[in-house]
Amino acid sequence: GAGVSQSPSNKVTEKGKDVELRCDPISGHTALYWYRQSLGQGLEFLIYFQGNSAPDKSGLPSDRFSAERTGGSVSTLTIQRTQQEDSAVYLCASSSDRGPNEKLFFGSGTQLSVL
Amino acid sequence: AQSVTQLGSHVSVSEGALVLLRCNYSSSVPPYLFWYVQYPNQGLQLLLKYTSAATLVKGINGFEAEFKKSETSFHLTKPSAHMSDAAEYFCAVRHSSASKIIFGSGTRLSIRP
Repeated sequence: GAGVSQSPSNKVTEKGKDVELRCDPISGHTALYWYRQSLGQGLEFLIYFQGNSAPDKSGLPSDRFSAERTGGSVSTLTIQRTQQEDSAVYLCASSSDRGPNEKLFFGSGTQLSVL
Repeated sequence: AQSVTQLGSHVSVSEGALVLLRCNYSSSVPPYLFWYVQYPNQGLQLLLKYTSAATLVKGINGFEAEFKKSETSFHLTKPSAHMSDAAEYFCAVRHSSASKIIFGSGTRLSIRP
């Protein structure tokens, strides 16, 4: 596609339910990042993929959070047993160059609201 | 460990005035530094980046940033603010050998008519 696509754009769920957030990176981009943006906060790093492997998942807040990437393309972020503090905008970004010229291309995000 | 600090969560300037958004980093060696901008209802986009080629970096829309190793700073400036500059600005850092890009907490820039 022309840009990074995230779905759904909005998700409202009840506390305790599981949710899946999807990210479709730009074709050919090998690096994929997940960030979380809470109200009044900056971007919180969650996990980074290079191809299908995740060299750095240090930002995942708890074991309720997991992510995978298949075929070096689409990635899914899963949150199990959602809590109200999980409410945030989840952003996905991809890039083709991890060197000094790396430029992240961001999706529009998924607004997650946990009631 | 690397981190980035943005001083001032909200900055307000008059149209035509100087814009100065502050960013300080902590890193054992000079890192890669970035400024990203998020316009209202739009996704984040790269404004400019420092890659050690030159300490003064020019970006889009008249913005520039200067890398000062002695001050561990990478402040963003624009000589004359325009109404269209109203947005959220994020400073980001990555060590050359690290995997992730760390973002600051952001500074919301407002422009007064």
